[in-house]
Amino acid sequence: NAGVTQTPKFRVLKTGQSMTLLCAQDMNHEYMYWYRQDPGMGLRLIHYSVGEGTTAKGEVPDGYNVSRLKKQNFLLGLESAAPSQTSVYFCASSNQGTYQETQYFGPGTRLLVL
Amino acid sequence: AQTVTQSQPEMSVQEAETVTLSCTYDTSESDYYLFWYKQPPSRQMILVIRQEAYKQQNATENRFSVNFQKAAKSFSLKISDSQLGDAAMYFCAYRSAKGETSGSRLTFGEGTQLTVNP
Repeated sequence: NAGVTQTPKFRVLKTGQSMTLLCAQDMNHEYMYWYRQDPGMGLRLIHYSVGEGTTAKGEVPDGYNVSRLKKQNFLLGLESAAPSQTSVYFCASSNQGTYQETQYFGPGTRLLVL
Repeated sequence: AQTVTQSQPEMSVQEAETVTLSCTYDTSESDYYLFWYKQPPSRQMILVIRQEAYKQQNATENRFSVNFQKAAKSFSLKISDSQLGDAAMYFCAYRSAKGETSGSRLTFGEGTQLTVNP
């Protein structure tokens, strides 16, 4: 049982390049999330999904797109990377609607945009 | 919108001593959940403890306990018998109980960096 995994662990991009971050979970969770973590600001929600085929905007969605074609995968795309998108990106998943609902996090992806 | 504030960017404690990390939040909701997450240097986010707002009893998990003051919107974390492995960044987080509407998103505070001195 791997939990939540993220690919890649680290990436360097040049301004204007595109890339996709992959998140996979093997816990059959309905909900999945993408956060970014910047120094002194905690984690902020970029986009989330409440089920296969659904996506919704979070707190800081600009410059990012997401897709949830399969229940176990949640992709985060940067179409044209900017230096302001240098950050650590965390994916999380959770079991839906139970009072014990807890978000489980992946190990993070460090992205540097030059 | 909900906000979470951690007013202590850094804290330190001697090994085996007790330390309390502060967290306040702002919400107009009556039903919600509060969490403390630990982030060691590995960057992995680890759930430490959770509290349901409808429960008056403070949550405890081994050496970790909370002081939940709903009226004051305060949610502090107490770490007893501190260990070197407790050194990490600690985040307080809020989640609405309105799961379907909000997607159960977490709102995080800025974090408190805890140092444990031997």
